[in-house]
Amino acid sequence: GQNIDQPTEMTATEGAIVQINCTYQTSGFNGLFWYQQHAGEAPTFLSYNVLDGLEEKGRFSSFLSRSKGYSYLLLKELQMKDSASYLCAVMDSNYQLIWGAGTKLIIKP
Amino acid sequence: ETGVTQTPRHLVMGMTNKKSLKCEQHLGHNAMYWYKQSAKKPLELMFVYSLEERVENNSVPSRFSPECPNSSHLFLHLHTLQPEDSALYLCASSQAGASGANVLTFGAGSRLTVL
Repeated sequence: GQNIDQPTEMTATEGAIVQINCTYQTSGFNGLFWYQQHAGEAPTFLSYNVLDGLEEKGRFSSFLSRSKGYSYLLLKELQMKDSASYLCAVMDSNYQLIWGAGTKLIIKP
Repeated sequence: ETGVTQTPRHLVMGMTNKKSLKCEQHLGHNAMYWYKQSAKKPLELMFVYSLEERVENNSVPSRFSPECPNSSHLFLHLHTLQPEDSALYLCASSQAGASGANVLTFGAGSRLTVL
C-alpha cells in the first residue's frame, strides 16, 4: 500500500529552527507538496519538490531525496504564528495525492 | 470575494436530517474536490470534478452525494448520516492540466457534527 509518515507533534522555541520530516512509500512519484494549516483555517500551499535538493523560500525550505523516499520542511527563525499543522503529500504515478496525517507544530516563547 | 468559500462553516445535524454543504471558487479553476479531514488522520479524497465531469470514489457511502452545476460551484448533499461522519469537510480547487505542480487551493472547511 501507499503510505506517508510524519511525526504527529513537535515542539520548538520561538527564534529557533525546526525540521519536520516526511517519508513516503508510493506507487510512482510526481512531486511532493507541503501545506500549512492553522487551526480552524484552510490548508495553504507552502512548497513543491519534484527534483532532488533544497528549495528555499524565505524562512521556509523544503528538501527532497527521491532515492530515499524522504523530504523535510525546515523552518528558521520561528515565530509564534508558525504554530500550525504541516501536511506532507505525494503525487503518485496516477497523479493522485497521497496525504500524511500532518504534524502539529507547537511554538513556545 | 476571492479564493474558495465554504458555507456553512459549522453544521449540526441529526441522523435523519438532510443538509447540503456549498463551495464556491473565484479563481477560474477547472477542477474541484471534496475532502474529509478527521483528527490525526490523512485527508481523505471523496470526490473530484474535472472540467465539470465527476471522477467517482467508490469508497464513499451513498449518503454523500456531490453536485457540480458549473465550474465555480460544488455541493455536497448529506442525508441519513452517521455519527462517524462528523469531521471537517474541505473543498478545494485547482487548475487541472496546467504545467508544473497541481496546487490545490482550499476553503476553510465546514465542521460537521452528526448527533
